[in-house]
Amino acid sequence: QSALTQPASVSGSPGQSITISCTGTSIDVGGYNYVSWYQQHPGKAPKLMIYDVNNRPSGVSNRFSGSKSGNTASLTISGLQAEDEADYYCSSYTSTTPYVFGTGTKVTVL
Amino acid sequence: EVQLVESGGGLVQPGGSLRISCAASGFTVSSNYMSWVRQGPGKGLEWVSVIYRSGITYYTDSVKGRFTISRDNSKNTLYLQMNSLRTEDTAVYYCARDVDGYGPFDYWGQGTLVTVSS
Repeated sequence: QSALTQPASVSGSPGQSITISCTGTSIDVGGYNYVSWYQQHPGKAPKLMIYDVNNRPSGVSNRFSGSKSGNTASLTISGLQAEDEADYYCSSYTSTTPYVFGTGTKVTVL
Repeated sequence: EVQLVESGGGLVQPGGSLRISCAASGFTVSSNYMSWVRQGPGKGLEWVSVIYRSGITYYTDSVKGRFTISRDNSKNTLYLQMNSLRTEDTAVYYCARDVDGYGPFDYWGQGTLVTVSS
């Protein structure tokens, strides 16, 4: 099971919106609505931001939203803030392993 | 309050063994799907192993035959026995909870560092 593909880095200015893509295949992202997104600050454990493609856990800002089209899922951060600077990982249920993570994206707030 | 606390990490020589633990509170380990996820230095997250409510286990290919996941219901604790350790197993190991077996991982521990080096 290969890792899901994410861009290595994405950047934006405060207040802007950015989108991170997560590309898999029909046995993971494309086959199930079980895509989740995690935020990880340096030296910290990952934090769940989005689950089941487009659902936010209680306490997560509504500036974070998720979507999916075919084999590609996306995380959008609107109204970018300095505190959003972190690494972001997607994850999906798969018919094989049964979990797989994305390669990770470093978000920089300019 | 849900909490996961890992312990047992440390320095081990290549070919050696180590067992790491994850003590849970605020929920029952055996009623959930519990995973180990690792992160090598400067690298991304990698799912390692899961134990289902039923006791069925799965492993990523690179650790099959070397690592064993288990739980002690009386202690509400998850374990990962790691044998024949390789330098590439060096990582922070996190335990994480999945409620229904499809993801997401809604709670994570703080991680324990395993360093494999001579």
